[in-house]
Amino acid sequence: AQTVTQSQPEMSVQEAETVTLSCTYDTSESDYYLFWYKQPPSRQMILVIRQEAYKQQNATENRFSVNFQKAAKSFSLKISDSQLGDAAMYFCAYRSSQGGSEKLVFGKGTKLTVNP
Amino acid sequence: NAGVTQTPKFQVLKTGQSMTLQCAQDMNHEYMSWYRQDPGMGLRLIHYSVGAGITDQGEVPNGYNVSRSTTEDFPLRLLSAAPSQTSVYFCASSYNRGGNSPLHFGNGTRLTVT
Repeated sequence: AQTVTQSQPEMSVQEAETVTLSCTYDTSESDYYLFWYKQPPSRQMILVIRQEAYKQQNATENRFSVNFQKAAKSFSLKISDSQLGDAAMYFCAYRSSQGGSEKLVFGKGTKLTVNP
Repeated sequence: NAGVTQTPKFQVLKTGQSMTLQCAQDMNHEYMSWYRQDPGMGLRLIHYSVGAGITDQGEVPNGYNVSRSTTEDFPLRLLSAAPSQTSVYFCASSYNRGGNSPLHFGNGTRLTVT
């Protein structure tokens, strides 16, 4: 079974600075999908960014970008120009492309604090 | 569009009581699922459905039942609540059963079992 590991339970960053959240995963598959979700104090789960494993180019969404290293099974999230509204729990998630691929496997999350 | 709607937002139960958490989506999504979120545990899959009339178990299904009689609705039933079921529950849906189709989440239900 696939597993997702977020090794940083908590991180902090100064407003306007850059922070990188780590995520590693374990799989024997070659094709899959990776996601980062944000959960602010409102509890809502918000999709931040997604990456297809067959794409070599790293995904980018405005201030959010990923560093996808397939061989190392690493999928880190970089937040540039951090804003107070970025403070949240961040979850990394994996989805297989094979049969039974409906399920998302989540990491345990990283709590990000943004200091003014 | 309302997206994924969960009710209630909060619920307190006594041990042994039963209840149903409601989930409805108006996006015509095939796939629906229920997760529970516990501190330090991330989100864990309880049950999921890939279409009306089809359900399957996830990682932590014990103590929960589901059914999918329509595309729109996917209720989660707690048959006899236990304190271990104290958690935040999320319903989520996606357009298709796999791929890069992201999950759309409801706003969650905080359940406390005393």
